[in-house]
Amino acid sequence: GNSVTQMEGPVTLSEEAFLTINCTYTATGYPSLFWYVQYPGEGLQLLLKATKADDKGSNKGFEATYRKETTSFHLEKGSVQVSDSAVYFCAAGSSNTGKLIFGQGTTLQVKP
Amino acid sequence: GAGVSQSPSNKVTEKGKDVELRCDPISGHTALYWYRQSLGQGLEFLIYFQGNSAPDKSGLPSDRFSAERTGGSVSTLTIQRTQQEDSAVYLCASSLQGGVTDTQYFGPGTRLTVL
Repeated sequence: GNSVTQMEGPVTLSEEAFLTINCTYTATGYPSLFWYVQYPGEGLQLLLKATKADDKGSNKGFEATYRKETTSFHLEKGSVQVSDSAVYFCAAGSSNTGKLIFGQGTTLQVKP
Repeated sequence: GAGVSQSPSNKVTEKGKDVELRCDPISGHTALYWYRQSLGQGLEFLIYFQGNSAPDKSGLPSDRFSAERTGGSVSTLTIQRTQQEDSAVYLCASSLQGGVTDTQYFGPGTRLTVL
C-alpha cells in the first residue's frame, strides 16, 4: 500500500533561516500530494498541494514540487518566521478513494 | 461559510463504555472521511463515505468501531466497549467529490480520553 515518510523533528531554526522538510512516498499509480499544517491549538489545514508530476504547489511563501523520479515532495521556504512554528504533515492521496496517507509529522520551531 | 464541525470537542469515558462522535461536513460536500490522530500511530485513516456508495471501512482498527452517514450529510463514529488504546483525537474531513485531487477540509477534532 501507499506510505509516506518525512524527516523526523523537531526542527529548530532562527527567524529568516531557510527551511527544508523532506518527504518521500511509495504508491501505486499517481497519487496527489499534500502538505497540511497544524498550528498550536488549531486544526489541520491545507498548506499546498500538487496533483501531477512536476507540479509545484505554493502558498504563504512555502513551495513543494512533485518529483516522480525521486518520489519526493519536499517542503521549502526561503525565510521562516516565528509564526510558521507548527507541525507539518506530508500526505499522499489514494488514487481511487482520495483517502490520505500521512507522514508522521515534523514539528518546526522558529526562534526570534 | 461554515467549515466542518465536530462534537463533542472533548470526551472522557470509562473503559468499557460506548461513545458516539459526531461530524457535520461542509454543506454540499459528498465525501466524508474519519481519521485518528494518536501519539503512537500518528494520523491514520479510518473510514470513507462517498455519496450512496458502500463506505471504505478498510482503516477501522477493530469491529468495535463503526460509522454511519445519514442522509448523505451528518456522520457518527461509534466506538463500543472503549479501551485505553482508543484514546486519541478523532478527526473528520469532507471534500467536494472525494476524488484524488480534491482538498479535504478538516474539523477541529474530538479528543477522546478513555480512563
